Amino acid sequence: DQQVKQNSPSLSVQEGRISILNCDYTNSMFDYFLWYKKYPAEGPTFLISISSIKDKNEDGRFTVFLNKSAKHLSLHIVPSQPGDSAVYFCAHNAGNMLTFGGGTRLMVKP
Amino acid sequence: DTGVSQDPRHKITKRGQNVTFRCDPISEHNRLYWYRQTLGQGPEFLTYFQNEAQLEKSRLLSDRFSAERPKGSFSTLEIQRTEQGDSAMYLCASSIGTGLTGELFFGEGSRLTVL
Repeated sequence: DQQVKQNSPSLSVQEGRISILNCDYTNSMFDYFLWYKKYPAEGPTFLISISSIKDKNEDGRFTVFLNKSAKHLSLHIVPSQPGDSAVYFCAHNAGNMLTFGGGTRLMVKP
Repeated sequence: DTGVSQDPRHKITKRGQNVTFRCDPISEHNRLYWYRQTLGQGPEFLTYFQNEAQLEKSRLLSDRFSAERPKGSFSTLEIQRTEQGDSAMYLCASSIGTGLTGELFFGEGSRLTVL
């Protein structure tokens, strides 16, 4: 079974700086990893994904990096904005479902 | 289309009572998922349907839990004889098959509090 771990429960950054959220996984077999963002009292919303055949995927201020040898991926947000304050989950596409990490709460201070 | 909708948004019940949650997926989506999220944790998979067929259930889904999707449209999740440990946010999500990335579209969730 794939395990997905986010070892930092929270992260605080200043507005305009870079936010880096990290995720580790155990199983080398996967097709896609996805990042979701969740605001309080709302369901998770899809942010960005990366295929196993890529090392990087970029969408505006959001970039996801994949290091297959280290079984590690990271989400970079540049520049960070106060509206980015939310809980971020990485998730593995297991074919029939998504397996989520425990989440990292990002706080962007004005 | 307004996305995935869930009802009720909040439910407070006493231990031992039965509760039922409803999920209406995005209309053209043939897959429907139920997840559970507790405080400080990520969403945990419970079960999923492809059309009306329930194809997979998690070990988390005890015998007190039952999910249905009778006509391949909306779904219900029933919890019988609720326990305090059932207190959580129950999230419904839908998708078109597995899609390319496996992206799921989530509803806003139904929060259950068992007293």
